[in-house]
Amino acid sequence: AQTVTQSQPEMSVQEAETVTLSCTYDTSESDYYLFWYKQPPSRQMILVIRQEAYKQQNATENRFSVNFQKAAKSFSLKISDSQLGDAAMYFCAYRAGQGGSEKLVFGKGTKLTVNP
Amino acid sequence: DAGVIQSPRHEVTEMGQEVTLRCKPISGHNSLFWYRQTMMRGLELLIYFNNNVPIDDSGMPEDRFSAKMPNASFSTLKIQPSEPRDSAVYFCASSLVTGVRSEKLFFGSGTQLSVL
Repeated sequence: AQTVTQSQPEMSVQEAETVTLSCTYDTSESDYYLFWYKQPPSRQMILVIRQEAYKQQNATENRFSVNFQKAAKSFSLKISDSQLGDAAMYFCAYRAGQGGSEKLVFGKGTKLTVNP
Repeated sequence: DAGVIQSPRHEVTEMGQEVTLRCKPISGHNSLFWYRQTMMRGLELLIYFNNNVPIDDSGMPEDRFSAKMPNASFSTLKIQPSEPRDSAVYFCASSLVTGVRSEKLFFGSGTQLSVL
């Protein structure tokens, strides 16, 4: 079974600085998707960024970017110019590729604190 | 679109009572997922439906849990009888899955269940 591991239960960053959240996963599949979700105190799950495993180029969404290392099964999230509104729980997630299960497998999450 | 709508937002009940959680997916979406979030276990998939048919219910904890999707616009998750260990946030999510690709997953705001 696929597993997702987030080794940092908590992280903190100064406002305007850069922070990187780590995620590793285990799978025997070659086709899959990886995601980062943000969960603020409101509890809403918000998709931050998505990466298709077959794409070598790292996904980027404004201040959010990933470092996808397929061979190492690593998928880290970099947040640049951190803002107070970035404070939240961040979850890394895996989903099988086309033809596989549609379910998302989540890591346990990293709580990010942004200090003013 | 109003997004995925879950009700109630909060539910407090006593052990042994029946609890029904409700979900209205986004119109046009054909896959629906029920997740449970706890501090200890994180986010776990309970069950997911595709075109109203249960595809994977391996995450349903035990016979006390049941889920139905009578039509494309409504699903319920029922716990009978409820126990204190069922206390958690229950999320419903939906997406559009076609033969070519899977679109992103949209989450509802969740139901906070407390079983006393």
